[in-house]
Amino acid sequence: EAGVAQSPRYKIIEKRQSVAFWCNPISGHATLYWYQQILGQGPKLLIQFQNNGVVDDSQLPKDRFSAERLKGVDSTLKIQPAKLEDSAVYLCASSQRDGLETQYFGPGTRLLVL
Amino acid sequence: GIQVEQSPPDLILQEGANSTLRCNFSDSVNNLQWFHQNPWGQLINLFYIPSGTKQNGRLSATTVATERYSLLYISSSQTTDSGVYFCAVFTSGTYKYIFGTGTRLKVLA
Repeated sequence: EAGVAQSPRYKIIEKRQSVAFWCNPISGHATLYWYQQILGQGPKLLIQFQNNGVVDDSQLPKDRFSAERLKGVDSTLKIQPAKLEDSAVYLCASSQRDGLETQYFGPGTRLLVL
Repeated sequence: GIQVEQSPPDLILQEGANSTLRCNFSDSVNNLQWFHQNPWGQLINLFYIPSGTKQNGRLSATTVATERYSLLYISSSQTTDSGVYFCAVFTSGTYKYIFGTGTRLKVLA
C-alpha cells in the first residue's frame, strides 16, 4: 500500500511570494489533514477535511492560507503572500474514516521564506 | 485548552540502554498516539493507545487515562531509535489531535 505522497519536498521563496503544496493521501482514506511544524515544536493542525468537506480550520490563517480537497482525494495548500514566520515543515496526513483514528503522515514539505 | 507536556525534553543514551518517556495531559482524552519523527522528518506512528499496555518489539507503551499520563518504554536502544518522540492526544471537545512538546532522543554507538 502506497503511503501519503507530498510535493515538493523543499521550497525556497521570498516573502510576499505565493507557494502551493500538494498532497495525495493513502487510497481510500476519507480524512486528510494539513499540519504546520515549526522548528523545535510539535505539529499544529491547520485544516482537516473529511471527504471534500472542512471539519476544522480554526487555526488556519485565512487571510493568507487556503486549502482545497476537490473530489475528496488529493489536496492543495496555498500561501499567498508568504511571510518570514511561515518558514516551517508542512505535513500532510490521512486516516481511514474520521479524526479519532490512526493518522499516517507524508514526508513533508520544508518551506523557507527569505 | 488541553496542555500536553512531555519529559524529559532531551535524552542521550548509550546503545543498549533502556529509557522511559512520559506524556502528561491536563484533561480527559478519548485517544492517544505515540509517534517517532526520524532525523529526516518523517513521522511514524508507533502506538494507538487510549488505555492499557501494548508492546511492539523493543517498544511498549502504557496509558493510564484516569491519571492523565502515558509512558513509552524503549529497551535495548539502537542508534536508529534517535529522533524526536511525540505523543498526541485526541479530545471530543476539540475533535482533533493535539501534539505534545516532544522528547529529543540521541542514541550513541
